[in-house]
Amino acid sequence: DGGITQSPKYLFRKEGQNVTLSCEQNLNHDAMYWYRQDPGQGLRLIYYSQIVNDFQKGDIAEGYSVSREKKESFPLTVTSAQKNPTAFYLCASSTGAWNTEAFFGQGTRLTVV
Amino acid sequence: AQKITQTQPGMFVQEKEAVTLDCTYDTSDQSYGLFWYKQPSSGEMIFLIYQGSYDEQNATEGRYSLNFQKARKSANLVISASQLGDSAMYFCAMREGPQNDMRFGAGTRLTVKP
Repeated sequence: DGGITQSPKYLFRKEGQNVTLSCEQNLNHDAMYWYRQDPGQGLRLIYYSQIVNDFQKGDIAEGYSVSREKKESFPLTVTSAQKNPTAFYLCASSTGAWNTEAFFGQGTRLTVV
Repeated sequence: AQKITQTQPGMFVQEKEAVTLDCTYDTSDQSYGLFWYKQPSSGEMIFLIYQGSYDEQNATEGRYSLNFQKARKSANLVISASQLGDSAMYFCAMREGPQNDMRFGAGTRLTVKP
């Protein structure tokens, strides 16, 4: 089945540790996105990538880093510089065309204690 | 600047009635797409409907329709014959041509009453 997979579903980390969230897609999509969602809030764009080896900052990139070495993969690292990392993280992918929808993974709920 | 605005944090509707969820957007691009997503309590994002900036007809998908008023920069979602399973968060999103990113509004929580 084609789709987008995020792992793990739940993640717990100690404060001050870096953590990497996985996102893999087998839809042959060029574009991939990372969003952060806080309880009862909307989705805020962290980073997005339109093509391999290229990515752009979104609205809240501080404290996060990404890589896009393969078309299928777009991992997100939450660094210790992120002041309040506890949130729900959603990864999405889409074709390169602006008139197509994005497909989402199931999300990763990160809790930092 | 906020590009997508959803002014209704919460809405209630009686089962089997219709409801309109508001969305306004801001862009200077000629090419853009408008999308609505549903997010149940499970957290998954379900794509509902799409409207392109060049489309002259309002989009429809089953019980969902999009009231697109380009001059007013609004793209309201209409859900007809509401069902209990429609209770969820609803997000409006826009994808602009050159940048190709996708940004979301703050969402509207819809509650369908039996």
